[in-house]
Amino acid sequence: DTGVSQDPRHKITKRGQNVTFRCDPISEHNRLYWYRQTLGQGPEFLTYFQNEAQLEKSRLLSDRFSAERPKGSFSTLEIQRTEQGDSAMYLCASSPPVASGSDEQFFGPGTRLTVL
Amino acid sequence: QQQVKQSPQSLIVQKGGISIINCAYENTAFDYFPWYQQFPGKGPALLIAIRPDVSEKKEGRFTISFNKSAKQFSLHIMDSQPGDSATYFCAASIRYNFNKFYFGSGTKLNVKP
Repeated sequence: DTGVSQDPRHKITKRGQNVTFRCDPISEHNRLYWYRQTLGQGPEFLTYFQNEAQLEKSRLLSDRFSAERPKGSFSTLEIQRTEQGDSAMYLCASSPPVASGSDEQFFGPGTRLTVL
Repeated sequence: QQQVKQSPQSLIVQKGGISIINCAYENTAFDYFPWYQQFPGKGPALLIAIRPDVSEKKEGRFTISFNKSAKQFSLHIMDSQPGDSATYFCAASIRYNFNKFYFGSGTKLNVKP
């Protein structure tokens, strides 16, 4: 399967713990996005990488959230000191280079986070 | 302030009928309008997308109608099937603003056999 993969698929943690999620984009895609989706809502943009550079962050991304894409391939999203309000589905998406002319984003299956 | 407003929240259609979902936006800088389908526990999957220089685009049973002056666009699903039962999201983006998507709140479609 050459689609976007995310790991883990489910994570249950206690309030105050740190969690880290991983996203592996489609191999030739240099653009990578993180979104958060709460129950019954559409995904909300969190952050954007082009290659290894983090070029855009939403105001939704508090200081407890940090994302990296160290070699321009996979990305990680870490949440420190989790709160119950962080419970959501965290989605990763990737896109081909800008020069391709495509604006399509391919989404992974998501990581479902539950904070107890 | 929600950038893209979607209606209805839920929709029940008989098998073979037409499902219509509507979205409206305010930002005239948006230049890409995709529709995504999402099944429970899965990530969104692209159905069809349109750019504002085109008023209609059809792919199989799915059609987007785009009204630039009204700042509205809609998804039509012809000959709706029970397998189409899912949540549908419209979105909008600006290519030169990192192409980040602004999603609508979703429409849960139930196609009855």
